[in-house]
Amino acid sequence: GAVVSQHPSWVICKSGTSVKIECRSLDFQATTMFWYRQFPKQSLMLMATSNEGSKATYEQGVEKDKFLINHASLTLSTLTVTSAHPEDSSFYICSALQGAGGELFFGEGSRLTVL
Amino acid sequence: GQQLNQSPQSMFIQEGEDVSMNCTSSSIFNTWLWYKQDPGEGPVLLIALYKAGELTSNGRLTAQFGITRKDSFLNISASIPSDVGIYFCAGQGSNFGNEKLTFGTGTRLTIIP
Repeated sequence: GAVVSQHPSWVICKSGTSVKIECRSLDFQATTMFWYRQFPKQSLMLMATSNEGSKATYEQGVEKDKFLINHASLTLSTLTVTSAHPEDSSFYICSALQGAGGELFFGEGSRLTVL
Repeated sequence: GQQLNQSPQSMFIQEGEDVSMNCTSSSIFNTWLWYKQDPGEGPVLLIALYKAGELTSNGRLTAQFGITRKDSFLNISASIPSDVGIYFCAGQGSNFGNEKLTFGTGTRLTIIP
């Protein structure tokens, strides 16, 4: 099946720094990607919908200036956590849509720990 | 954000037992999906349901799309150790192009040796 890859798979950073997480669709073009956040023992919560060539659509309560999303190509979306704080520590997961109305494929997730 | 109600929250069973979990929503969905997530990994699709009333099997897994389009269940027969993990249901929007998923609260499956 189609493959979606995230990088890095884990990252530890100091409070106040910014961290970029990449989401790539390796064998298909994805005009739409989604970013989720998952806290320990909780479900996946949608943060934003990333559309190639346009601004991301953020879910209610998600700060767009803190979680910058760039979908510059059909195979790459990036999530930048700006001025990270310990409460931003979480598991960030992306998914990519294979064609309009097609199947969603999930990345393996990126664990962020902010000290 | 919205979440789907999933039950039970956790299950402790012996190998070989059958498992049943369900998911309910106050909203209608056009597609119901069931995922399994292992620790530290992204969710993996198990079964997709596209039609109200549909009953679909994938090996030892069987899932049904409720008639009201507001619920779904997943059954696992003859559980094995590799079934351990967290199972999530997910509903997909009713409008074409609205492909974002709303996830359930999850069911953690543990197999007692």
